[in-house]
Amino acid sequence: AQKVTQAQTEISVVEKEDVTLDCVYETRDTTYYLFWYKQPPSGELVFLIRRNSFDEQNEISGRYSWNFQKSTSSFNFTITASQVVDSAVYFCALNTGGFKTIFGAGTRLFVKA
Amino acid sequence: NAGVTQTPKFRVLKTGQSMTLLCAQDMNHEYMYWYRQDPGMGLRLIHYSVGEGTTAKGEVPDGYNVSRLKKQNFLLGLESAAPSQTSVYFCASSYTGTGNNQPQHFGDGTRLSIL
Repeated sequence: AQKVTQAQTEISVVEKEDVTLDCVYETRDTTYYLFWYKQPPSGELVFLIRRNSFDEQNEISGRYSWNFQKSTSSFNFTITASQVVDSAVYFCALNTGGFKTIFGAGTRLFVKA
Repeated sequence: NAGVTQTPKFRVLKTGQSMTLLCAQDMNHEYMYWYRQDPGMGLRLIHYSVGEGTTAKGEVPDGYNVSRLKKQNFLLGLESAAPSQTSVYFCASSYTGTGNNQPQHFGDGTRLSIL
């Protein structure tokens, strides 16, 4: 069975704090793709990153970084020095090559000024 | 620079009424999808299409029909709306790739309430 678990339903931080959003996935496939999407209050989902199962290199993009660990089936997302504009719902998603992408339930992040 | 456009943005229906949600994309994407988003459940795939004239069932297809008569448009129909179909509906599109590993581009969503 394929599954994506985002155990943190809501997180609240104060601006400039670092915050990590957890994502744990389950799949028996050896080839798969992991994604993070951001859903700001305006509603649309915005693609942030894609990672394939053969590339465990961590990635950094500005204040965003992603830690992919196959040993723990995790693909965590860290925002450094959070800002109010980071307030959104963040979804982790898994695709194993078919047309079905499994989304986690999402983590709602509140960043207070 | 429209991307994926969904109409309408909001709609209230009475049980038993029918309606069609329209999705249009201007990125020449082959693949298009309809999802529903419910609290605490993430997004669930209703139907998808891999090209003009083709459609396929996703995870939760019951009560919905779709059509892809033109490459740029993907229509989602509710023939007889039920309160359980109250949700936020998202359309998405993506390039072709190996399987479906390309990132999806989403519309702004349609908030649908069935009374």
